[in-house]
Amino acid sequence: ETGVTQSPTHLIKTRGQQVTLRCSSQSGHNTVSWYQQALGQGPQFIFQYYREEENGRGNFPPRFSGLQFPNYSSELNVNALELDDSALYLCASSFGTGRQETQYFGPGTRLLVL
Amino acid sequence: SQQGEEDPQALSIQEGENATMNCSYKTSINNLQWYRQNSGRGLVHLILIRSNEREKHSGRLRVTLDTSKKSSSLLITASRAADTASYFCATDARGSQGNLIFGKGTKLSVKP
Repeated sequence: ETGVTQSPTHLIKTRGQQVTLRCSSQSGHNTVSWYQQALGQGPQFIFQYYREEENGRGNFPPRFSGLQFPNYSSELNVNALELDDSALYLCASSFGTGRQETQYFGPGTRLLVL
Repeated sequence: SQQGEEDPQALSIQEGENATMNCSYKTSINNLQWYRQNSGRGLVHLILIRSNEREKHSGRLRVTLDTSKKSSSLLITASRAADTASYFCATDARGSQGNLIFGKGTKLSVKP
């Protein structure tokens, strides 16, 4: 167990809806990164938050947005859901940015878009 | 886009045998990490090797890194049924802000 928690564990939405996923980072960590993992693929980096600011973004459209709170927990919001957004969403926490050491992953939220 | 590619895509062995997985990547890196994932759940960190290191051990795991060939290998010795999982390499590319770039993974099946 890494101490990183995510909610909900599973979610079903329909196209066009909006979804919010939540992540609580490991104690002492101030950085949260979000990844999307499609079936049979490796995780792909969405964005990272460090001390409540976005600190890097992967190749995802603006309808993917996030927040980090003063307690370093984080949210991932996805607007106008598309079928291809169906995936496992993973968050990972770490201490600091730049040349990061180990990222500790949560169990993920499995999103199905119908 | 994905930086790394693991090889093979799938590997099936008997308990007690050794399992070797390979990873190739494209750009210069700060470090390379291996993760394990059971049945589409969260990723578990196994080992990190820095760009100036060539080999690292952790229990039954042995990782090598060849930066001239941009490749790494993960060896699991004396495998157990509990090692059945998908294994991913992830690179922390130089110039990045520390986000990890993952390959597609190797699916390892260890039969009792």
